[in-house]
Amino acid sequence: QKEVEQDPGPLSVPEGAIVSLNCTYSNSAFQYFMWYRQYSRKGPELLMYTYSSGNKEDGRFTAQVDKSSKYISLFIRDSQPSDSATYLCAMRSGNQFYFGTGTSLTVIP
Amino acid sequence: DTGVSQDPRHKITKRGQNVTFRCDPISEHNRLYWYRQTLGQGPEFLTYFQNEAQLEKSRLLSDRFSAERPKGSFSTLEIQRTEQGDSAMYLCASSLEEIYEQYFGPGTRLTVT
Repeated sequence: QKEVEQDPGPLSVPEGAIVSLNCTYSNSAFQYFMWYRQYSRKGPELLMYTYSSGNKEDGRFTAQVDKSSKYISLFIRDSQPSDSATYLCAMRSGNQFYFGTGTSLTVIP
Repeated sequence: DTGVSQDPRHKITKRGQNVTFRCDPISEHNRLYWYRQTLGQGPEFLTYFQNEAQLEKSRLLSDRFSAERPKGSFSTLEIQRTEQGDSAMYLCASSLEEIYEQYFGPGTRLTVT
């Protein structure tokens, strides 16, 4: 079993929809949680990071962490075609970072 | 300084050849990481440096792989005797020691024929 599980999708939504992306994890030592966006053939771009359980909002993006359930989510409101990309969750334990496989999102105009 | 840079962006090599990639981190970042990413997968940790010291290496990093970070600035990743299974995107990321957000470069895409 992988330490970080992420549904690879693909996920296709109409423009303006609310998108929910999720990851689960098994390692209780994970303390720091991040979401990255990766366009095709590019490096991942950091979107959001959070340390504690709860919600963190940044513009149209909301990151949610539930440590008791070992579950994290990223919500995208009012999705735009430019949001079409692969979204990666990542978690830190010690000095190593562990990534999900990524969820491919397409926002249709 | 606009971010992490990597060179080359693409490399095609024949099986058995040696290749070397370079990463220039964000200038004030003292931590530098190397990852490998294959199609449909997330980045997999290979190794990381704090300043010039290589502090951790993944089991994925076979003895054909070596990384250096002389003077704690840029880093190089060398793969000797390349195999077809080495074909992947090699990503570099940097961060400050006390802040854990990593910033990635554009990657070097390696194709071994």
